[in-house]
Amino acid sequence: KQEVTQIPAALSVPEGENLVLNCSFTDSAIYNLQWFRQDPGKGLTSLLLIQSSQREQTSGRLNASLDKSSGRSTLYIAASQPGDSATYLCAVRIQGAQKLVFGQGTRLTINP
Amino acid sequence: DARVTQTPRDKVTEMGQEVTMRCQPILGHNTVFWYRQTMKQGLELLAYFRNRAPLDDSGMPKDRFSAEMPDATLATLKIQPSEPRDSAVYFCASGLSPKGIYGYTFGSGTRLTVV
Repeated sequence: KQEVTQIPAALSVPEGENLVLNCSFTDSAIYNLQWFRQDPGKGLTSLLLIQSSQREQTSGRLNASLDKSSGRSTLYIAASQPGDSATYLCAVRIQGAQKLVFGQGTRLTINP
Repeated sequence: DARVTQTPRDKVTEMGQEVTMRCQPILGHNTVFWYRQTMKQGLELLAYFRNRAPLDDSGMPKDRFSAEMPDATLATLKIQPSEPRDSAVYFCASGLSPKGIYGYTFGSGTRLTVV
């Protein structure tokens, strides 16, 4: 059974810092991995999608990496801003299936 | 931007009442998911459909939950009778499979409160 773990559960940093969020998964047989952002009381917004054959994806100040063999992904946020405050979720799509398995998320707070 | 539309946005109901949540997936997407989010359990998969056929509903309490896709533009999730422990945010998501190269898109959710 695929399990996804995100560490830390919560993170608070001052504005302007670069930071890394971690995601690990137990079964490397994945189709892809997706990072989402969730604001309080809102839905999930897709940030980055990495296919199993890829090593990283970039969008603006965000960079996500994938090391399938070690079961790890990181989300790097450069020059953090208060508007980046949200919960960040990673989800893996299991190979041979359509469903996503989610981690519990990292609640990020950027302090002005 | 194409989006997944869920209604209602919020629902407060009394225990024992029937609740119906609706989802309009993105046009052209052939896979539809229902997830439930609680503080304790996080995001849990309840059921999903591909080409309107149910593929997996093992996450749903069968005695009270039912999920259907009457047509390609509408997915429904019903709870009858509702219980306080059903209080959660219910998300619908859609995507393309088996390709899935674009990932899945989530709706804004239905926040259900059963009192």
